[in-house]
Amino acid sequence: RKEVEQDPGPFNVPEGATVAFNCTYSNSASQSFFWYRQDCRKEPKLLMSVYSSGNEDGRFTAQLNRASQYISLLIRDSKLSDSATYLCVVMNFGNEKLTFGTGTRLTIIP
Amino acid sequence: NAGVTQTPKFRVLKTGQSMTLLCAQDMNHEYMYWYRQDPGMGLRLIHYSVGEGTTAKGEVPDGYNVSRLKKQNFLLGLESAAPSQTSVYFCASYERQGQTGELFFGEGSRLTVL
Repeated sequence: RKEVEQDPGPFNVPEGATVAFNCTYSNSASQSFFWYRQDCRKEPKLLMSVYSSGNEDGRFTAQLNRASQYISLLIRDSKLSDSATYLCVVMNFGNEKLTFGTGTRLTIIP
Repeated sequence: NAGVTQTPKFRVLKTGQSMTLLCAQDMNHEYMYWYRQDPGMGLRLIHYSVGEGTTAKGEVPDGYNVSRLKKQNFLLGLESAAPSQTSVYFCASYERQGQTGELFFGEGSRLTVL
C-alpha cells in the first residue's frame, strides 16, 4: 500500500461548483499535512497546511480525520484559475520524511 | 532573496554519463529534499537531508547519490545515467514552524537521458 494515496481524477467541474478531494495516508505516526497546488510544468506551491481542527482560507477548506487517516480539501465557488493539480503531502516527525500523493488533476469548465 | 535555486535547469545526457544537480537555498533551512516527477506519478522522494553532513534514502534512491557538505547546498549525483532517469527533478527545502511548516521548491531541472 502506498504511504499517501489520492484519486488521480481528472475532475472536470463547471465554474461555480463545489469540488472535494480526499487523500489517505497509511502511517498513523504522520504528524503534519499539507495541500500543494501545481500548475503545468511548474514547481508545486503551498495552498494550505491542514490542522487538526480543520481550517479555512477563503474558498478553500481543509479537514483532517486522524481516526480514518485521511485529509480533505474542499473548493467552493470554483474559478477557472483553480484548474491545476492538487497534491497532498504528509510529514512524519522522527524521520522528517515528506511524502507526496500522486496528485488530483482538476479542470474548471467555463 | 533567491530562495531555492537549481542548476542546471535543462540537461541532455547519453546513457552511462555522469552528472550532478546542484540545489542551493539561502533561507538557512535544515531540511532539504530531492524529488523526481514523472507523468502520472506525482513527486517521488529520492533522498533527503535533515542537516549538514546527513542524508537519508527516500522511496526511489537507486542510481542516485547525494551529499550535504554545506548546509545551504544539497547535491544529487547520477554516476551512470540510464534512460529510466529521464525526468523532472525538484529540490526543496523545508522550514519547520512548530507542528507545521512549508516546503519551498526550486523551479525544477529537466533531464533527458538518451
